[in-house]
Amino acid sequence: AQSVAQPEDQVNVAEGNPLTVKCTYSVSGNPYLFWYVQYPNRGLQFLLKYITGDNLVKGSYGFEAEFNKSQTSFHLKKPSALVSDSALYFCAVRDRGFQKLVFGTGTRLLVSP
Amino acid sequence: DVKVTQSSRYLVKRTGEKVFLECVQDMDHENMFWYRQDPGLGLRLIYFSYDVKMKEKGDIPEGYSVSREKKERFSLILESASTNQTSMYLCASSFQGVDTGELFFGEGSRLTVL
Repeated sequence: AQSVAQPEDQVNVAEGNPLTVKCTYSVSGNPYLFWYVQYPNRGLQFLLKYITGDNLVKGSYGFEAEFNKSQTSFHLKKPSALVSDSALYFCAVRDRGFQKLVFGTGTRLLVSP
Repeated sequence: DVKVTQSSRYLVKRTGEKVFLECVQDMDHENMFWYRQDPGLGLRLIYFSYDVKMKEKGDIPEGYSVSREKKERFSLILESASTNQTSMYLCASSFQGVDTGELFFGEGSRLTVL
């Protein structure tokens, strides 16, 4: 069965510093991996996805993620955090041939001024 | 602009009431999903549908049913609401056969059962 793990409930970072939100996955084959962001009382917004090819994927709002097959990880990164990046971040995985996404438990990012 | 619209943002219901949560998408997507979001548990799939009148159970279907009479509309039904169904409910849609494609989400419906 496919699954993802987000080991940190919360990540705190100062504005201007780099940020990393961690995600590891488990699938039987090659994965499709996604990151979503949720602002308070809103639905989820798509940030980026890894399908194949370059291990470094660039997405919306200056975010990027690095796919590491040997470590089964897909960590979300940003070189310089903004206070407005404070939100709840979800990693998700889809196994090839399946239509549904499996989500992690989410990581709350708090960026302090 | 693509859109998934959930009819109610906030609902308050009493135990035992029947609850309908409606979701409409305007992207001509074949797949539609209902997730439930709870703190510390992330998103859990309740039901999904890949075609009109078709439905598949997700990970936590107990206490819920769904209806998909038209392609653009997917309804979640709580036949007899209970307090443990107090939660945020998220509807999503996607193209079928494009498993590289992302899900598009509605704004969510926050249900409180008293």
